Amino acid sequence: QKEVEQNSGPLSVPEGAIASLNCTYSDRGSQSFFWYRQYSGKSPELIMSIYSNGDKEDGRFTAQLNKASQYVSLLIRDSQPSDSATYLCTWNNAGNMLTFGGGTRLMVKP
Amino acid sequence: EAQVTQNPRYLITVTGKKLTVTCSQNMNHEYMSWYRQDPGLGLRQIYYSMNVEVTDKGDVPEGYKVSRKEKRNFPLILESPSPNQTSLYFCASSLRGRGPYEQYFGPGTRLTVT
Repeated sequence: QKEVEQNSGPLSVPEGAIASLNCTYSDRGSQSFFWYRQYSGKSPELIMSIYSNGDKEDGRFTAQLNKASQYVSLLIRDSQPSDSATYLCTWNNAGNMLTFGGGTRLMVKP
Repeated sequence: EAQVTQNPRYLITVTGKKLTVTCSQNMNHEYMSWYRQDPGLGLRQIYYSMNVEVTDKGDVPEGYKVSRKEKRNFPLILESPSPNQTSLYFCASSLRGRGPYEQYFGPGTRLTVT
């Protein structure tokens, strides 16, 4: 069964630290991966996409993809209280549907 | 302003009373989709549409209907709502070239069926 698994958390980090969020997937055919951020009571918003092995950096965010090990991660440097949210990992299934992980709740404490 | 809108934002209804949740986008996106979000179950796709008059089932289509008569609109229809359809619903859209992945989400509709 094709799945995306995430630790639901909460993951608690102090302000200024690096937050590391991980996601594993079961389908070796997966090609593209995406991280969405969802604040409480709000809709998800896309923050990172990654299509090939390695790292992709965008500001304080770095997405890492390791297809051999079937995991994708999101690093948030210099974490801020405004980063406190649920982070959803998602991937393509080589079709037209999107499968989401359950999300990891991040709490950044001042 | 580029956006996806949903109406209503909140709805309380009774079992069996037909309802429609509207979704509209002003970005000329081909792909549109409906999701429901439940605690512990995450976001699950209900239906999606690749373009006008083209719709297909997602992971949890039972009890729902959709139509795509115009590019900008993608209403979600519950013909006979039941309490297990109480949920938070999101509509989303994306450019065809971006597939279903880089989606813009609407603000959500919180539905309660009693």
